[in-house]
Formats: sequence, structure tokens, C-alpha cells
Amino acid sequence: TQLLEQSPQFLSIQEGENLTVYCNSSSVFSSLQWYRQEPGEGPVLLVTVVTGGEVKKLKRLTFQFGDARKDSSLHITAAQPGDTGLYLCAGVGDSWGKLQFGAGTQVVVTP
Amino acid sequence: GAVVSQHPSWVICKSGTSVKIECRSLDFQATTMFWYRQFPKQSLMLMATSNEGSKATYEQGVEKDKFLINHASLTLSTLTVTSAHPEDSSFYICSASRGTVGNSPLHFGNGTRLTVT
Repeated sequence: TQLLEQSPQFLSIQEGENLTVYCNSSSVFSSLQWYRQEPGEGPVLLVTVVTGGEVKKLKRLTFQFGDARKDSSLHITAAQPGDTGLYLCAGVGDSWGKLQFGAGTQVVVTP
Repeated sequence: GAVVSQHPSWVICKSGTSVKIECRSLDFQATTMFWYRQFPKQSLMLMATSNEGSKATYEQGVEKDKFLINHASLTLSTLTVTSAHPEDSSFYICSASRGTVGNSPLHFGNGTRLTVT
């Protein structure tokens, strides 16, 4: 059983479309991070959120942390082929001390 | 540039042999490093936490005698897959953090693709 539930598992969209990826837990996160991983490489950190209700923007990426700190979303506006990759949420929970990863969302953006 | 270096990037070995994978923090000291295993198109599964100067902490279900971890210095952790079998074929990735895990970035190596024939 995953401590962090990520959805959807797979997204295939056309260039220019928007997409949203979700990360949920029944427990409260003390902090949550989003990573992107490209094939054959290690994940790279995109953002860290720690405050409930927090919204962070990174160019066309918008990250939200739920008020109750149990969920988060990643929204990409006008997706580009370069956004293709495996998006992973990772969190340290109040009820578990280690950084745990969600199952990941494979995003494919076609030209 | 990379702050965590992993070597080798890929290795092919015969069943029954052992393989050592190195993970180095390049410009910071890491008292703790993490080893993950990843299957194709799937997430990272934490195998163990490598602690400098002491025994590694293994996750449930991970055989410590099969996956030997040594963290002999503040910049190097090694994972040795002993008596490898085809089912051990996978992508192994290490990571380290400069600060508190969860609040500071985890820096990942580029992974090691292990194929056991």
C-alpha cells in the first residue's frame, strides 16, 4: 500500500494542452516535494512545499499544497515536449519519518 | 552540475557474481545516503539508508546479506549486490541531502542499470 497516492498513472497530451497531477495521503505531510525524472537519469527536485495552502510557481508549473497538508497538485500550463517525464511526489509525513515516494505519473507530451 | 555521482552507469554480470555500485557526494559531506531500486516506469523503492560509520538501516523485505552497504567515509557509500540473480536486474539509484530530508533537496545520482544474465 502506497502512503502517497498519485494520479493519474499515465497522461498523454498534445503540445499546448494543460495537465494536472495529484498526490494524496490520508496522513498529514510535514513537507512535500515534487521531482521530475527523465529516462536513464535520477530524479531532479522541482519544488518543496511546507505550508498548508501554499502555492508556488515555476514558469509554466504551478504547485499547490492543500490547506490540511494532506494533498498536493502539480499543474502544467501549455505543456511542451520537454515536459515529458516521470513526475514523482515525495513527502515526509507526521506519522512516518522517512521521505516516501508516490508511484509516479508518466507524462508524455507529443508535438 | 551534478552533486552526487554514481558509478558505474550500467553493468552486465553473470548470475552468481557480485557487483559493487559506488555513490559519491561531490561537494558536500553526507552522513546519510539512500539507496533505491526502480523498475521500468515505476516509482522509487527505498531499499536502505546508509549511515556513515555505522550499519545501514534496511527497509522491510530487503535482504541485508544480499545487498551489502558500506558507508566508510562522508562522501562515499557503496552497494554490493552479492550472488546476483536475473531477478536482481533493475535500476539502482542513490541519493543524498545537504540538509534535513524533506525540506532540503535530495540529490540523486544518475543511477546504475544492472543486468544479470
